[in-house]
Amino acid sequence: KNQVEQSPQSLIILEGKNCTLQCNYTVSPFSNLRWYKQDTGRGPVSLTIMTFSENTKSNGRYTATLDADTKQSSLHITASQLSDSASYICVVGSFSGYSTLTFGKGTMLLVSP
Amino acid sequence: GAGVSQTPSNKVTEKGKYVELRCDPISGHTALYWYRQSLGQGPEFLIYFQGTGAADDSGLPNDRFFAVRPEGSVSTLKIQRTERGDSAVYLCASSLRTSGGKDTQYFGPGTRLTVL
Repeated sequence: KNQVEQSPQSLIILEGKNCTLQCNYTVSPFSNLRWYKQDTGRGPVSLTIMTFSENTKSNGRYTATLDADTKQSSLHITASQLSDSASYICVVGSFSGYSTLTFGKGTMLLVSP
Repeated sequence: GAGVSQTPSNKVTEKGKYVELRCDPISGHTALYWYRQSLGQGPEFLIYFQGTGAADDSGLPNDRFFAVRPEGSVSTLKIQRTERGDSAVYLCASSLRTSGGKDTQYFGPGTRLTVL
């Protein structure tokens, strides 16, 4: 069964600090891995998409890494801001004629002033 | 439109009633997805449309759930004989096409369904 596990479940950090969120997956066949940011009461917004051949991708202060051998990914947030408070969801895509996505439960990040 | 829109934003209904949830995808997007998200969980896949046809409806939990996309744009998710367990946020997403699976899905704000 395709699964995506994220850790930690929740995290509180001080404004300006860095943090790293983890994602482990068992999805086959693997096509891509995405990180989404979901603000409370809103739909998820894509941060990064990586394929098998990509092991790092950045989007501003967000940097995602992918190790396809160990089936692990991380999302690193630098110089956190209050607006970074949200749920960060790891999503693994599989492609068999069309894209199917397996979602993790997310890591709830709270950036405290 | 500028993004994916969903109506209503909130829907409260009584157990046993019928509800319809609407999704307006981004203009020109051929792929449309419905997800259900319970509190504290990630979105759960329900159904995927490519154009007018449902390419994969394996995520629909039972035959009380049905979705249509008659003209390949707007989609309606229909739930019959609602149950309290159906309470969740129903998210819709669209993408331009499924090009090798790297398509970016753009999500709507969701419809919060509460079944009393």
